[in-house]
Amino acid sequence: LAKTTQPISMDSYEGQEVNITCSHNNIATNDYITWYQQFPSQGPRFIIQGYKTKVTNEVASLFIPADRKSSTLSLPRVSLSDTAVYYCLVGDGFKTIFGAGTRLFVKA
Amino acid sequence: SAVISQKPSRDICQRGTSLTIQCQVDSQVTMMFWYRQQPGQSLTLIATANQGSEATYESGFVIDKFPISRPNLTFSTLTVSNMSPEDSSIYLCSVESGTGRSRNTEAFFGQGTRLTVV
Repeated sequence: LAKTTQPISMDSYEGQEVNITCSHNNIATNDYITWYQQFPSQGPRFIIQGYKTKVTNEVASLFIPADRKSSTLSLPRVSLSDTAVYYCLVGDGFKTIFGAGTRLFVKA
Repeated sequence: SAVISQKPSRDICQRGTSLTIQCQVDSQVTMMFWYRQQPGQSLTLIATANQGSEATYESGFVIDKFPISRPNLTFSTLTVSNMSPEDSSIYLCSVESGTGRSRNTEAFFGQGTRLTVV
């Protein structure tokens, strides 16, 4: 399983765009990149998943360069309710292994 | 998608006792996973519960301490045995979409069981 490295924490203000970058130098050819969000006292929730280039859904965008050794989760115009821990995972699809995650604090 | 129900949602237990956590899924799934999340930490995979066979434990976790049952494709239990204060944590049940070794799977989690051992 590829190891991931993310910033421990980030601060932002309401209305700003937040970009969280994850490094995964040892990603395997068939691996997908998945991001999860976790609020306090809740289980993690799937945000977005991609293999290469760019993926966008109603919640976020995921940018993956050609070498796939990193990825960037982009949250447009964050609000206070986006304060959470964000996990980047590069799994083998068999079981989900979590790294340390990034704690995002959104301030008013 | 999958909806997962865990019981109990929280409990306070005496050291030396055991607690069994139940996980019910609204659809049949091949594998179910149990995680532990200690305060302020990330999730750590305890074991994979396979229907019809013994659970597969990750390094640092053993069957005597965390026995797991998987009687059918929608249900599993995790028992935390002979508890100590160090077992105080959130325990989460999870399933993944797709079947077999599919690399683009999405994981679904229950709300977790918050265990406090005193």
